Amino acid sequence: DQQVKQNSPSLSVQEGRISILNCDYTNSMFDYFLWYKKYPAEGPTFLISISSIKDKNEDGRFTVFLNKSAKHLSLHIVPSQPGDSAVYFCAATRSGGYQKVTFGIGTKLQVIP
Amino acid sequence: NAGVMQNPRHLVRRRGQEARLRCSPMKGHSHVYWYRQLPEEGLKFMVYLQKENIIDESGMPKERFSAEFPKEGPSILRIQQVVRGDSAAYFCASSPGGEPLEQYFGPGTRLTVT
Repeated sequence: DQQVKQNSPSLSVQEGRISILNCDYTNSMFDYFLWYKKYPAEGPTFLISISSIKDKNEDGRFTVFLNKSAKHLSLHIVPSQPGDSAVYFCAATRSGGYQKVTFGIGTKLQVIP
Repeated sequence: NAGVMQNPRHLVRRRGQEARLRCSPMKGHSHVYWYRQLPEEGLKFMVYLQKENIIDESGMPKERFSAEFPKEGPSILRIQQVVRGDSAAYFCASSPGGEPLEQYFGPGTRLTVT
């Protein structure tokens, strides 16, 4: 039972253009969402998050949008840079004390110079 | 301030042997999480430990797998009698408190079972 789904295994984007990575979730109890970035041979690193009380959170070139009714979120990277080439994991959890974090399978982004 | 350390980075075991994976959390962190990433899959939660306590092991296979986080020393993930299906990348994360929102990941141990 995959509660967090990233349906695009890979994405290629030209440098300078926008990258849009999508994520869907099925568990309506999730109220906190995170994006992690992972380079080969390294562990995931936290990128950006959003609480369900918001529909948008921005940090520099990275913006996450949340559509609660559709149970969908997306990560926008603009402008995309070659150093953004990595695997991006969407993750979801419930806030407040300890709750497990559930990860998607990841989307491999390649930014072409 | 050193990050989360994992060793070994690569581990090769024959079927039936034991694998021991070590995780040293960031300084000041007393909460450790273990995840497994099978080929073509995402990170799957395995177990959450605090010092000397297992808090949540709902993601651990019922047999052959165990984890500990002793008062002194690193957290250990132990896999007995390994099988080929155990081949995966095992990641450890740590956090200062019980909020998994602040998890910091180590570089992972890649286990290969031959």
